[in-house]
Amino acid sequence: SQQGEEDPQALSIQEGENATMNCSYKTSINNLQWYRQNSGRGLVHLILIRSNEREKHSGRLRVTLDTSKKSSSLLITASRAADTASYFCAWLGYGKLTFGQGTILTVHP
Amino acid sequence: EPEVTQTPSHQVTQMGQEVILRCVPISNHLYFYWYRQILGQKVEFLVSFYNNEISEKSEIFDDQFSVERPDGSNFTLKIRSTKLEDSAMYFCASSDQGSGNTIYFGEGSWLTVV
Repeated sequence: SQQGEEDPQALSIQEGENATMNCSYKTSINNLQWYRQNSGRGLVHLILIRSNEREKHSGRLRVTLDTSKKSSSLLITASRAADTASYFCAWLGYGKLTFGQGTILTVHP
Repeated sequence: EPEVTQTPSHQVTQMGQEVILRCVPISNHLYFYWYRQILGQKVEFLVSFYNNEISEKSEIFDDQFSVERPDGSNFTLKIRSTKLEDSAMYFCASSDQGSGNTIYFGEGSWLTVV
């Protein structure tokens, strides 16, 4: 199977706290991308990290990639209620993007 | 910012009917994709398309499915004879390179088969 896992499946935090989501995959990858999905809406691209990169930042987002462990993490700092959404990692390998199961993040005001 | 646009946003169809979902990828992009997400489940790859032909497809993408780029801007997904289990959100996506670059997704088309 080329599927991976994301954990936690659900995360509930207070506004201002940091949220960390983890992703594991099983294949060789070219890059790994993180997406956000509000309920019933489209997939919004957040950040891309290439296989030769270890860490990347974008605003309040920090992504790490450990290709030896086939894992990635997404950290959202100083969370806001508006960050409430599902977050998916997706790895690009063998010409297609494969999605993880996703983490449902709820940020309480 | 350029975006992928999809129509219709929601379609209800009778089982056995044909459905065409339409997408306008970002204008300078060369690689196109269809994904689907059954309610409450993860996003699944259906097919990728480059240079007017399918480059990769999943086992979900059987003979009931087809894709076409009928003109310079549209990219369509056709389901020939819909089944109840085809009910899902269908996402179109595009990128300017097949690998290494960001893949941008549209807002999706909800398909409900009754």
